[in-house]
Amino acid sequence: GQQVMQIPQYQHVQEGEDFTTYCNSSTTLSNIQWYKQRPGGHPVFLIQLVKSGEVKKQKRLTFQFGEAKKNSSLHITATQTTDVGTYFCAGPKAGGTSYGKLTFGQGTILTVHP
Amino acid sequence: DAGITQSPRYKITETGRQVTLMCHQTWSHSYMFWYRQDLGHGLRLIYYSAAADITDKGEVPDGYVVSRSKTENFPLTLESATRSQTSVYFCASSEPPRPNGGRLFFGSGTQLSVL
Repeated sequence: GQQVMQIPQYQHVQEGEDFTTYCNSSTTLSNIQWYKQRPGGHPVFLIQLVKSGEVKKQKRLTFQFGEAKKNSSLHITATQTTDVGTYFCAGPKAGGTSYGKLTFGQGTILTVHP
Repeated sequence: DAGITQSPRYKITETGRQVTLMCHQTWSHSYMFWYRQDLGHGLRLIYYSAAADITDKGEVPDGYVVSRSKTENFPLTLESATRSQTSVYFCASSEPPRPNGGRLFFGSGTQLSVL
């Protein structure tokens, strides 16, 4: 079945350093979504990428969708303590009755040391 | 997001007992989902529903039952709880996904411990 792999599983950075998490799917995705979960909280939608090679920015966050639509990345520039949390990528299962269901990566847990 | 609420927030039960986790949304979203979250596994889909009276299995449905008699409610029942079902359970909802859509809105979660 479809697998979505995310690396690294953990990342510890000093405040001000950059951070990147990578997401790879075993199948081509129609779109990819990113979510952030603060410690003790619930996942919150960040963004959706749809087009091959798409790049979107949200302040210090840059999201990319690969040309083959099988991989994606999230890059945070100059991390802050407010960036702490788990970042998930998620892709929809292909077609048919699977329409609307998302397969999530395992997530990358980011800790930021002040 | 206050539009989707889960109860209880925390639950402790014993093996073999039946447990029901509640989920209620006020947006009239047609799609609803149950995920469980375990360290190292991310979020795994248990069941989902495309509309009232329409439900289907996800990745890990064994030991769980769902129903959806009304659009706004999507309860999850553990028929006979086992220790392996100790987890954090998230309910989510979404609008009918457009060809490239379907962002999820999550509830605050239920932390379930089975002793």
